[in-house]
Amino acid sequence: KQEVTQIPAALSVPEGENLVLNCSFTDSAIYNLQWFRQDPGKGLTSLLLIQSSQREQTSGRLNASLDKSSGRSTLYIAASQPGDSATYLCAVFTGTASKLTFGTGTRLQVTL
Amino acid sequence: DAGVIQSPRHEVTEMGQEVTLRCKPISGHDYLFWYRQTMMRGLELLIYFNNNVPIDDSGMPEDRFSAKMPNASFSTLKIQPSEPRDSAVYFCASSLRGGGYEQYFGPGTRLTVT
Repeated sequence: KQEVTQIPAALSVPEGENLVLNCSFTDSAIYNLQWFRQDPGKGLTSLLLIQSSQREQTSGRLNASLDKSSGRSTLYIAASQPGDSATYLCAVFTGTASKLTFGTGTRLQVTL
Repeated sequence: DAGVIQSPRHEVTEMGQEVTLRCKPISGHDYLFWYRQTMMRGLELLIYFNNNVPIDDSGMPEDRFSAKMPNASFSTLKIQPSEPRDSAVYFCASSLRGGGYEQYFGPGTRLTVT
């Protein structure tokens, strides 16, 4: 059974700092990995999707990397802003079934 | 497109009552998913449909839960009878295809069972 873990569970950084969020998964036979953002009381917004054959994806100040063999992904946020404050979830898509397994999330707070 | 639409946004009900949550997926999307989010268990997939047909309901917690998709633009998740432990946020999501296509989430329904 696929298990996804995110470290740290919570993170507080001052504005302008670069930061890294970590995601690990137990079954490396994934199809892809997605990073989502969730604001309080809201749904999930997809940030980046990395196919299993890719090493990284970039969108603006966000960069996600994937090391499938070691079961790890990182989300790098450059020059953090207060508007980046949210919970970040990673999710892996395993096998041929249309199923996402979600991590536990990292709650990020960017302070002024 | 308006995105995935869910109703109601908030629902408060008493234990034993029937609860029906509704979802309208993005037009043209073939897949629809129901998830539940709690502090203890995080986000869990309950059931998903492909072209209105339930494909995998292994995540449905028990027989009190049922889901239907009578047409491509509407799905319901019903809990009967409801219990306090069903309190959670229920999300609906849709995707264009299966096999890892990006999923788009609705805003969720916050259910409180007293």
